[in-house]
Amino acid sequence: DQQVKQNSPSLSVQEGRISILNCDYTNSMFDYFLWYKKYPAEGPTFLISISSIKDKNEDGRFTVFLNKSAKHLSLHIVPSQPGDSAVYFCAASDVGGDDKIIFGKGTRLHILP
Amino acid sequence: DVKVTQSSRYLVKRTGEKVFLECVQDMDHENMFWYRQDPGLGLRLIYFSYDVKMKEKGDIPEGYSVSREKKERFSLILESASTNQTSMYLCASSPAESTSSSYGYTFGSGTRLTVV
Repeated sequence: DQQVKQNSPSLSVQEGRISILNCDYTNSMFDYFLWYKKYPAEGPTFLISISSIKDKNEDGRFTVFLNKSAKHLSLHIVPSQPGDSAVYFCAASDVGGDDKIIFGKGTRLHILP
Repeated sequence: DVKVTQSSRYLVKRTGEKVFLECVQDMDHENMFWYRQDPGLGLRLIYFSYDVKMKEKGDIPEGYSVSREKKERFSLILESASTNQTSMYLCASSPAESTSSSYGYTFGSGTRLTVV
């Protein structure tokens, strides 16, 4: 049973517009959420994270929003750039649990010129 | 710059061969992980280790084994390679208490393994 779900396998967005990637989770014990970005033939790289005690974290063009009551988080990229084309993995962890991070299946983002 | 290094970027092996994938990290991390990535299936955990000589099964350990003789090195072994093990293999490491860190895991660049 998937604890972290990314229901959109792919997303296409015009360059300069906002990209919104969504993620849902089922485990209410998760208290840290992360986004990773992955280019083909490379390993995932850490992008941004948020603690469950916050509802928003911003880093440059990237903002993550957390809605705990809905068990939903989203990654906003503004403005979208060609280099943002990649696969984005949502991930979550339970600090009091087994020290493992659970990953979603990923969303492939295409930035259109 | 901290690094997780995987010994091969691309590998082609024959069915039935024993395959070794090596991973080395220079960050003195306690935890190390092996994942495989397949289209539509995301990142699936094969094995992990929280300490030298310690190993734990992940979600898909069948057909694989691991070895961690030194803290910095974590090897994935395909005992008898099969075509369904053709995949991108990713090694990752993290400090102890990684789930309380803001960045989680550091990944290697991956090994694209093709079994023919």
